[in-house]
Amino acid sequence: GAGVSQSPSNKVTEKGKDVELRCDPISGHTALYWYRQSLGQGLEFLIYFQGNSAPDKSGLPSDRFSAERTGGSVSTLTIQRTQQEDSAVYLCASSPDRATYEQYFGPGTRLTVT
Amino acid sequence: KQEVTQIPAALSVPEGENLVLNCSFTDSAIYNLQWFRQDPGKGLTSLLLIQSSQREQTSGRLNASLDKSSGRSTLYIAASQPGDSATYLCAPDGGATNKLIFGTGTLLAVQP
Repeated sequence: GAGVSQSPSNKVTEKGKDVELRCDPISGHTALYWYRQSLGQGLEFLIYFQGNSAPDKSGLPSDRFSAERTGGSVSTLTIQRTQQEDSAVYLCASSPDRATYEQYFGPGTRLTVT
Repeated sequence: KQEVTQIPAALSVPEGENLVLNCSFTDSAIYNLQWFRQDPGKGLTSLLLIQSSQREQTSGRLNASLDKSSGRSTLYIAASQPGDSATYLCAPDGGATNKLIFGTGTLLAVQP
């Protein structure tokens, strides 16, 4: 079946602009995670969704970052007023359930802020 | 706070060698631990998932072990091939939401 998909694959934006990154999880997966991979920080957790709720937002680096999930499926990560330090690869993962299942990752969105 | 360390940071071996990648973590209260590989410019591919009640998992030439009490996991790769060249990441979960906490990875190069 289809894996996790993310769009766009690459995004170049100017400092100060807003961006939206999209994640389509594997059908039926209730858990969805966003991570960020940057040169200076490695791979770090951003936010977790169970269904449409986000019980863990502890990894969001600032209030410029927000995310939502609708219909228990697609999720959008929004970064407002982008800064150069936001440049990174943003990865989405989904899992059938948070308890004991593997997380399956999408190919990521490479964000470059100029 | 969970901290994950992977040793070695980089490894170069000739084709055919067996090798071991090491992962240590500070908080033993985990549900699962996953091993991933990442090819340059690509996303993460899940290799093995070990649940906290298990001690090891095998998939083909890969075997991963978990010693939760000591905070250690190892990934054993048998008969390495050039196609195994990649960065290998260890990720125990942290907390009730099973968010993954990643190590900095081991960069493996298998020379033909």
